[in-house]
Order: sequence, then C-alpha cells, then structure tokens
Amino acid sequence: KNEVEQSPQNLTAQEGEFITINCSYSVGISALHWLQQHPGGGIVSLFMLSSGKKKHGRLIATINIQEKHSSLHITASHPRDSAVYICAVSQETSGSRLTFGEGTQLTVNP
Amino acid sequence: EPEVTQTPSHQVTQMGQEVILRCVPISNHLYFYWYRQILGQKVEFLVSFYNNEISEKSEIFDDQFSVERPDGSNFTLKIRSTKLEDSAMYFCASSVFRYSKEAFFGQGTRLTVV
Repeated sequence: KNEVEQSPQNLTAQEGEFITINCSYSVGISALHWLQQHPGGGIVSLFMLSSGKKKHGRLIATINIQEKHSSLHITASHPRDSAVYICAVSQETSGSRLTFGEGTQLTVNP
Repeated sequence: EPEVTQTPSHQVTQMGQEVILRCVPISNHLYFYWYRQILGQKVEFLVSFYNNEISEKSEIFDDQFSVERPDGSNFTLKIRSTKLEDSAMYFCASSVFRYSKEAFFGQGTRLTVV
C-alpha cells in the first residue's frame, strides 16, 4: 500500500469549474506539500501545510491531521491550470525528505 | 527570486557510460536532495546530503550512484555505469534546515540511456 494516495488519477474539467483533488496518507507527518508539475517536467511548490488551510489566488489547500487527509481546490479553473498535481509528505522521522503520491493529471478544457 | 539550477536539462548517454548531473542549490541552504522520476511513475527519493556527507539514502541509491559537493556551490550526482533503467528525470532540491520542511526543486535533468 502506498504511503500517500491521491484521487482521482485523472481529472478533466471545463473552464470555470471548481476542482478538488484529494490526498490521504498513512504515516505520521510533519508537513504535507502540494506541488505542480508541468508537461516540461519541472516541479513547483504550491503549498506546505501542517494544519488548517492556506489560500493563494485561486488555489486553496486544506488538511485534516486527525483524518490524515488533505484537499487541493482550484476555483474558476482555467486551461493554464492543466498540469499534474502532486501530494507529498515530510514524514516525522525523515526531516524534509519527501514521500510522493502518484499525482493527479488535470486537464481543463476551454 | 533564488532558485535551484540544474544542468544539463537533457542528457543522452550510452549504456555503461558515466554521467554527472549538476545542481546549484540556493546559496544559504544546507540540505540537498536528489529525486528521480521514471517516465509515468511517481517521484522517488534517492539521497539527502548535509555537511559534506550522505544523511539518508534509499534502496535505489546503490553503489553505482555517488554524490558530491566539490566546491561551495555545486552539488553533483554521478552514475558510474549507466543502465537503460536509469533513464528518468532527476530532480535536485535544497532546503535551509533539515526540519524546515520546505524544499525547493530544480527544473530537472532528463537522462536518456540508449
């Protein structure tokens, strides 16, 4: 069983739709990260969370430590949001080494 | 904004050849990492490095891999004798402290072994 599970694996949306990507983890963590990977391959950090909620522009990330679950929301989605969104965790015992989920491929159609 | 820089962006090498992937971490960062992503798979941890020595490595990081910080700025990953299955995107990352939790990633080096 993967330590970090994401759903869905693939998501197709129409421009303007509200999008939710989910992440569940089975290990003790010190932080959870949401990352974005574009077709060229580069990885960009979106959020780092250890509790509660963070917002940046149209992106919102939440985490529930008791339930070991996090969500990434995108409001008013746009074709430029099309990318792979990856959930990763820093485990309590591993410093800032990250354990990654499989990623969610998001495609937003105009 | 400070960033992690990796070179080259793409390298093609023949099986059995040695390759060196280079990274320039953010200047005040102390912890350095290499990750690998085989095409279509998730990103996997290879190794972390602090104070001129390996602090942690995964089972992937076997004797054919080595890391080095040859000067004050570069951080390198060497693959001694490449295999076809080493073809992947290799990411360098750095963080200020071990428990600062936030790591900054380079753009990756796509290694193709033929």
